[in-house]
Amino acid sequence: RKEVEQDPGPFNVPEGATVAFNCTYSNSASQSFFWYRQDCRKEPKLLMSVYSSGNEDGRFTAQLNRASQYISLLIRDSKLSDSATYLCVVNMNAGTYKYIFGTGTRLKVLA
Amino acid sequence: EAQVTQNPRYLITVTGKKLTVTCSQNMNHEYMSWYRQDPGLGLRQIYYSMNVEVTDKGDVPEGYKVSRKEKRNFPLILESPSPNQTSLYFCASSPSTSASTDTQYFGPGTRLTVL
Repeated sequence: RKEVEQDPGPFNVPEGATVAFNCTYSNSASQSFFWYRQDCRKEPKLLMSVYSSGNEDGRFTAQLNRASQYISLLIRDSKLSDSATYLCVVNMNAGTYKYIFGTGTRLKVLA
Repeated sequence: EAQVTQNPRYLITVTGKKLTVTCSQNMNHEYMSWYRQDPGLGLRQIYYSMNVEVTDKGDVPEGYKVSRKEKRNFPLILESPSPNQTSLYFCASSPSTSASTDTQYFGPGTRLTVL
């Protein structure tokens, strides 16, 4: 089993739709969780950190479910500019700085 | 402008010819890291550094070396490149080592082809 798993997609959704991605992780001791966005052939950029209580930033909501070992990202009112690959990132062990990236979920928002 | 820079951005080389990819950040970040990105495998961590003269292996360190003699620079060295090191390489930095929750800032990437 991969340490961090994501559905690669692509998810093709119309503008204005709500879309959700999940990411599962294998190590129950994992401490830190993030969603990064990567545009084609560009560097990843932080979208959101994911906190235990869940957090929201505008149209984006991130949730953490420790019991089931997954994190989720919800995008409401999708825009064409949301088209990108979304990377789930997990820091596996407290006190270390080893980060495991998922392979990414590709989103295409269609006009 | 706060940024992470990498050079070169594109490199085609031949098997066995030593090369260095430079990485520099101007944000006084303590933490720096190197990743490679391959189709279907995502980003995998090669090496990271918590501070000057402190480096540690990531998940795929074989065939790579790093050094951290200055805070701002973290070069990646391939002593004897092989075709399986053809990849897209990213350098990243993060403000501090006090929390693994810090944002990582990535450089623009270096596309390496080893023939």
